[in-house]
Amino acid sequence: EDKVVQSPLSLVVHEGDTVTLNCSYEVTNFRSLLWYKQEKKAPTFLFMLTSSGIEKKSGRLSSILDKKELFSILNITATQTGDSAVYLCAVGRTGNQFYFGTGTSLTVIP
Amino acid sequence: GAVVSQHPSRVICKSGTSVKIECRSLDFQATTMFWYRQFPKQSLMLMATSNEGSKATYEQGVEKDKFLINHASLTLSTLTVTSAHPEDSSFYICSAKHGLDEQYFGPGTRLTVT
Repeated sequence: EDKVVQSPLSLVVHEGDTVTLNCSYEVTNFRSLLWYKQEKKAPTFLFMLTSSGIEKKSGRLSSILDKKELFSILNITATQTGDSAVYLCAVGRTGNQFYFGTGTSLTVIP
Repeated sequence: GAVVSQHPSRVICKSGTSVKIECRSLDFQATTMFWYRQFPKQSLMLMATSNEGSKATYEQGVEKDKFLINHASLTLSTLTVTSAHPEDSSFYICSAKHGLDEQYFGPGTRLTVT
């Protein structure tokens, strides 16, 4: 059965800390892995990864994919209170099917 | 770019009535849109994949006669919840596929059935 597992389920850190969020998957016919940030409403797109070992970076956020070990990490450096959100990982497979993990809830304390 | 709108943002309806939710891609064309449902503190649950000009593909356990999907144009998909019941109360989110697999989400619709 195809699945996406995120860890930890929740995390509380202080401003300025660095965090690493994990996403592992077992999905046949893998095509892409996506990270989203969800605050109070709908998710906003962060990254899409399709190739192993190539880091994607946007400001303080970065992500990398390991297709051999079937996981991805999302790093956030120098965290700010505005980073508090649920971070969702999704895996796309051929046939336009997507599987979402349950998310990691990040709380950044001032 | 890649903006998706959803309307209405909130709707309250009486049990037994039908509710239509619209999802529009504002600055791109989307041959594929997705409809999700999200319960409090849970992840997104894919309900169906909407393909422009063809029938939607429903996930297992989702009643196609209850959740009618129409994708009549490259920028508009609609979800109609027919004969709504209180258990249909939820947060409904649509997304539009742009590029390979990037999905851009609408702001969601909070449906409350009384």
